[in-house]
Amino acid sequence: DTAVSQTPKYLVTQMGNDKSIKCEQNLGHDTMYWYKQDSKKFLKIMFSYNNKELIINETVPNRFSPKSPDKAHLNLHINSLELGDSAVYFCASSQDWGGPEAFFGQGTRLTVV
Amino acid sequence: AQSVAQPEDQVNVAEGNPLTVKCTYSVSGNPYLFWYVQYPNRGLQFLLKYITGDNLVKGSYGFEAEFNKSQTSFHLKKPSALVSDSALYFCAVRDNGGSQGNLIFGKGTKLSVKP
Repeated sequence: DTAVSQTPKYLVTQMGNDKSIKCEQNLGHDTMYWYKQDSKKFLKIMFSYNNKELIINETVPNRFSPKSPDKAHLNLHINSLELGDSAVYFCASSQDWGGPEAFFGQGTRLTVV
Repeated sequence: AQSVAQPEDQVNVAEGNPLTVKCTYSVSGNPYLFWYVQYPNRGLQFLLKYITGDNLVKGSYGFEAEFNKSQTSFHLKKPSALVSDSALYFCAVRDNGGSQGNLIFGKGTKLSVKP
């Protein structure tokens, strides 16, 4: 039973397109996150949601818009995709904001061509 | 601002030998420190954390980490490395020096264990 699941696992799309990545957690956690891992494996927080409310929005272009329909889901919608958006995007969750550990999904490898 | 540094891009160890993956930190409050491991094509997995208490923290898969306040370090260790330990290891700190906040990750250290 996967704790944090993301779909799709791989996503190849053309510049200018709009795409979404879905994330679901079945752990009953209150807080969910999106991280971006670039080609050098550097991990950076993008968004944090606690109880469906945005609590952190790092310096991310407004082409990226997270949506949290309920506590168990945090989807990431990206408009007008650019080459530089190519990366692996990880969803994660924790019991609360600052929970002792975060559980990560397997990642979505986005390739923009 | 909180930060962590992993000075080594890669660590090579022979199977059966002890391993150390280094991490130093900079925080303005109490350090909340973590180690995560990423196997190829997988998400990150939590290994261990230091919040308070004993300086030697034990975690998953036989790993442990030693918190050293004077040296601001939190090195990851294992007495006897396995080939299956080969992965990317990330040190992390809470971003506000407290119990809440996002994780700030180091750049990662690739551990390679040879038979």
